[in-house]
Amino acid sequence: ILNVEQSPQSLHVQEGDSTNFTCSFPSSNFYALHWYRWETAKSPEALFVMTLNGDEKKKGRISATLNTKEGYSYLYIKGSQPEDSATYLCAFRSRAGNMLTFGGGTRLMVKP
Amino acid sequence: EAGVAQSPRYKIIEKRQSVAFWCNPISGHATLYWYQQILGQGPKLLIQFQNNGVVDDSQLPKDRFSAERLKGVDSTLKIQPAKLEDSAVYLCASSLDIRYYEQYFGPGTRLTVT
Repeated sequence: ILNVEQSPQSLHVQEGDSTNFTCSFPSSNFYALHWYRWETAKSPEALFVMTLNGDEKKKGRISATLNTKEGYSYLYIKGSQPEDSATYLCAFRSRAGNMLTFGGGTRLMVKP
Repeated sequence: EAGVAQSPRYKIIEKRQSVAFWCNPISGHATLYWYQQILGQGPKLLIQFQNNGVVDDSQLPKDRFSAERLKGVDSTLKIQPAKLEDSAVYLCASSLDIRYYEQYFGPGTRLTVT
């Protein structure tokens, strides 16, 4: 059983604050690391797919980094807005199979 | 492009009753996934189809859960009989093919078992 962990479990910030969360995953047999954003009552939305050690990806105010050797990825949100409130999920894909193993998610709430 | 459709969106049943969920993947997507997401946990893969064949159902509780994708398009997931611990969001996802990274998710069905 693969262990994918996210921290913190939940986070409350004020509008305009910058924030970051962590996803840790097995450092062996790495194939890809996915980040999703899941707003209440909506479909999880893909943010990034990261495959190479040292990868940095950016989408607007959201960016992510990847360290496959030590088994972690950071997701950063610059200048949080209320519409950023959602659960952020990471998912690990190993070379050994094609299924995604999800972390428990970080629930972000941004207060206006 | 239409997304992954799921119905119903919400369902409340009593324990020992049966329930079925329906999923229509994105047109042309060969691979279909059913996930169970219990509150406070990440989604857990229950079953994966490639066209109408099962690729992985190792985490499907087969004594009460069943799933089919008869024509390689729509899929149904059934629970019979339901237990309290089956209360969860059931997510369906699809991807172009088993080798592709991107999985596209539906909005899920929130099941409450009382």
